[in-house]
Amino acid sequence: TGVTQSPTHLIKTRGQQVTLSCSPISGHRSVSWYQQTPGQGLQFLFEYFSETQRNKGNFPGRFSGRQFSNSRSEMNVSTLELGDSALYLCASNGLAGASYEQYFGPGTRLTVT
Amino acid sequence: GDSVTQMEGPVTLSEEAFLTINCTYTATGYPSLFWYVQYPGEGLQLLLKATKADDKGSNKGFEATYRKETTSFHLEKGSVQVSDSAVYFCGSAPNAGGTSYGKLTFGQGTILTVHP
Repeated sequence: TGVTQSPTHLIKTRGQQVTLSCSPISGHRSVSWYQQTPGQGLQFLFEYFSETQRNKGNFPGRFSGRQFSNSRSEMNVSTLELGDSALYLCASNGLAGASYEQYFGPGTRLTVT
Repeated sequence: GDSVTQMEGPVTLSEEAFLTINCTYTATGYPSLFWYVQYPGEGLQLLLKATKADDKGSNKGFEATYRKETTSFHLEKGSVQVSDSAVYFCGSAPNAGGTSYGKLTFGQGTILTVHP
């Protein structure tokens, strides 16, 4: 089975908070999150491995995440702003030889009104 | 920091035409390089990759060669099909053992439209 994300779509109002979920490929312990917008393209949010955040992009503290012991991950955005409207992609990371390969989920489309 | 630059799009071709999408990178060390494809309404799919200089990645008729001397990873296909219409992203990532695990740096994406 591949990477699953939920929900597929959601609409929130400015000031609210939202939680997105990602289940990686079985056996993968690393999960990365990206934000995709037409203006900024694909931007890295953070990466988790074995419940620990190992790497973080340049996003404000309103963006946070966590990972559970079963490798499932959630990301949270608090105090939503209109500019947070985007496609949020989760990637399941596995070693393939000397490099990581990232397998992406279908994404969650967040609209902030 | 690391960066990836792709040729500006959109690219419009007729079926069976030759495709080239240019990609150059800047990175510390020797990253792995990737091409991903995104079809409308979907997430990214790994198309091909190369992990060291002179490696050639290939898949579904697409090819790209890791050129260290020109820091490039151009995507090519000899004969495109309508079904190849999508957005293509070039990306780089440090090899395992680097300090930026799980972080892909992407180019801005190139929209490809293939007409019958």
